[in-house]
Amino acid sequence: KNEVEQSPQNLTAQEGEFITINCSYSVGISALHWLQQHPGGGIVSLFMLSSGKKKHGRLIATINIQEKHSSLHITASHPRDSAVYICAVFPSGGGADGLTFGKGTHLIIQP
Amino acid sequence: EAGVAQSPRYKIIEKRQSVAFWCNPISGHATLYWYQQILGQGPKLLIQFQNNGVVDDSQLPKDRFSAERLKGVDSTLKIQPAKLEDSAVYLCASSPPQPSSYNEQFFGPGTRLTVL
Repeated sequence: KNEVEQSPQNLTAQEGEFITINCSYSVGISALHWLQQHPGGGIVSLFMLSSGKKKHGRLIATINIQEKHSSLHITASHPRDSAVYICAVFPSGGGADGLTFGKGTHLIIQP
Repeated sequence: EAGVAQSPRYKIIEKRQSVAFWCNPISGHATLYWYQQILGQGPKLLIQFQNNGVVDDSQLPKDRFSAERLKGVDSTLKIQPAKLEDSAVYLCASSPPQPSSYNEQFFGPGTRLTVL
């Protein structure tokens, strides 16, 4: 069974701090998805990656396939970054579309 | 391009009542997913459609939940009768028909259901 573990579960930081959220998974994957969920429920896709590193604005996502680990970094954090960040993986082998989700990391950035 | 549309955004019902949710995926997206997200947890897949056929409904509580995508475009998810533990956000997502081992999913805003 594929498990996706995120850490920390909750994180409160001051505006401007560098933020790191970690994701570990237990099976081989085709790709990993970082998602952002604001209060109210809607989910926005931040990154989908299968190797290396991607950067978009102040957000950076890295993945190490061999170690089954990914990190999401936020530089110069801002209160509007406050949200739940969810890691989801596409298991490899067999064309499955199904995502396995972590429980999310609840991030609060205080001004 | 327009995103995934869902309605209603919020719904409050009493237990044992029925409720239906609607989803319209992004135009041209063949695959449609319904997820249930209970507070404090990640989303759980309820059912996946490929066009108008069901690909995976293994986690759908079929005694009370049903879903259809008759014309392979929009979809409805129904709960009948609702239980207190059905209180959750119901998310719809769609993905395009790409020749890849994985498809990026695009999520709708969700419907927050409260069962009293």
